[in-house]
Amino acid sequence: SQQGEEDPQALSIQEGENATMNCSYKTSINNLQWYRQNSGRGLVHLILIRSNEREKHSGRLRVTLDTSKKSSSLLITASRAADTASYFCAFTGGGNKLTFGTGTQLKVEL
Amino acid sequence: DTAVSQTPKYLVTQMGNDKSIKCEQNLGHDTMYWYKQDSKKFLKIMFSYNNKELIINETVPNRFSPKSPDKAHLNLHINSLELGDSAVYFCASSQLFDRSEKLFFGSGTQLSVL
Repeated sequence: SQQGEEDPQALSIQEGENATMNCSYKTSINNLQWYRQNSGRGLVHLILIRSNEREKHSGRLRVTLDTSKKSSSLLITASRAADTASYFCAFTGGGNKLTFGTGTQLKVEL
Repeated sequence: DTAVSQTPKYLVTQMGNDKSIKCEQNLGHDTMYWYKQDSKKFLKIMFSYNNKELIINETVPNRFSPKSPDKAHLNLHINSLELGDSAVYFCASSQLFDRSEKLFFGSGTQLSVL
């Protein structure tokens, strides 16, 4: 399967802690994106990192990309209860076909 | 204003029936998609249309037929529904070759086949 693998599958932390989730893939990629999905809702784009970039920041989000290991990580700092959601990595190898990872379910408890 | 809207939000039907899901985007994008999310939350692309032309057609049973009357609309018709078709179907849109390359998703249609 060309689908990305994410770990952990589920993560439960306390508010204020950092959350890290990882994504691994098998193909060459043009870019890698991260999306958030709140329960019962559609996916929302968070951040994109290109294959020639190693790290990118957006607010409390930090994404890294290691193309030699075919992996990426998403770090959410100072987590909030509102960050509770499923997080998906997604990547394009060519063309406009976006392939999604298996997702990490994050629960941030008060 | 909703950017990508799909209807209905919930669809409960009997096996063997034919049903349609509609999708509209007001973002001016030229590309639209259908994704299927199963009970384990795996998301898989089904179809993609660019300016009303089919550009991605994954291995999907031919009971599924997408139709794009114009670049702002992409509908999904499903014939002879089966239990295994139960899932959440998401419509999405993007601007092909746009530097942001991000997809905008609708809120999903939860299909339950009884």
